[in-house]
Amino acid sequence: EVQLVESGGGLIQPGSSLRLSCVASGFTFDDYVMHWVRQAPGKGPEWVSGINWNSANIAYADSVKGRFTISRDSAKNSLYLQMSSLRVEDTAFYYCTRGRYDGGSLGWFDPWGQGTLVTVSS
Amino acid sequence: EILLTQSPGTLSLSPGERATLSCRASQSVSSRSLAWYQQSPGQAPKLLIYATSNRATGIPDRFSASGSGTDFTLTISRLEPEDFAVYYCQQYGASPRTFGQGTKVEIK
Repeated sequence: EVQLVESGGGLIQPGSSLRLSCVASGFTFDDYVMHWVRQAPGKGPEWVSGINWNSANIAYADSVKGRFTISRDSAKNSLYLQMSSLRVEDTAFYYCTRGRYDGGSLGWFDPWGQGTLVTVSS
Repeated sequence: EILLTQSPGTLSLSPGERATLSCRASQSVSSRSLAWYQQSPGQAPKLLIYATSNRATGIPDRFSASGSGTDFTLTISRLEPEDFAVYYCQQYGASPRTFGQGTKVEIK
């Protein structure tokens, strides 16, 4: 069974840093591009960042560029998101998800982890 | 950035009824690159449909979808109790991938 399990969320003050982790199992981790997608309470999801198998291709949403860093460790089947200079508007559930593709498209997301809640508040 | 507008915001229906959800894009979505997700309360989104009309593994055939260009539709032929949830469309034909704001299907 494919599983993605996130951890690392919590309540933190604006301007602080936090590192999220995601452990993958049930599939060959190196075969897939991995992503972080977030969802603020009551809102639709928002793609945050994606990373290919060897970390050679990395992309970020404009809203987090320069503040967030995505990385992965194949030996640990793990995906990470280092978040710095956090803002109140970064408050959301953060989901780890696997990228799926057809042809030359950017791809959809399947499956998703259960999410970890990041609350940025003073 | 492609903006996706879903309608209606809330759909109030009874079990057994047919649900029709709309997703309209601000510009044409290339190569039918549109997906639908279902999110039950307290759960992560779950893939239902990819490439406009292809059901994901394990998704029952009461779920169907169609569309092209800027107009896409998700149909649930006969609502089961577990189908009452929020549904999101997502386009992946242009960067950045974007999601709609969701349609909530609630029990009438």
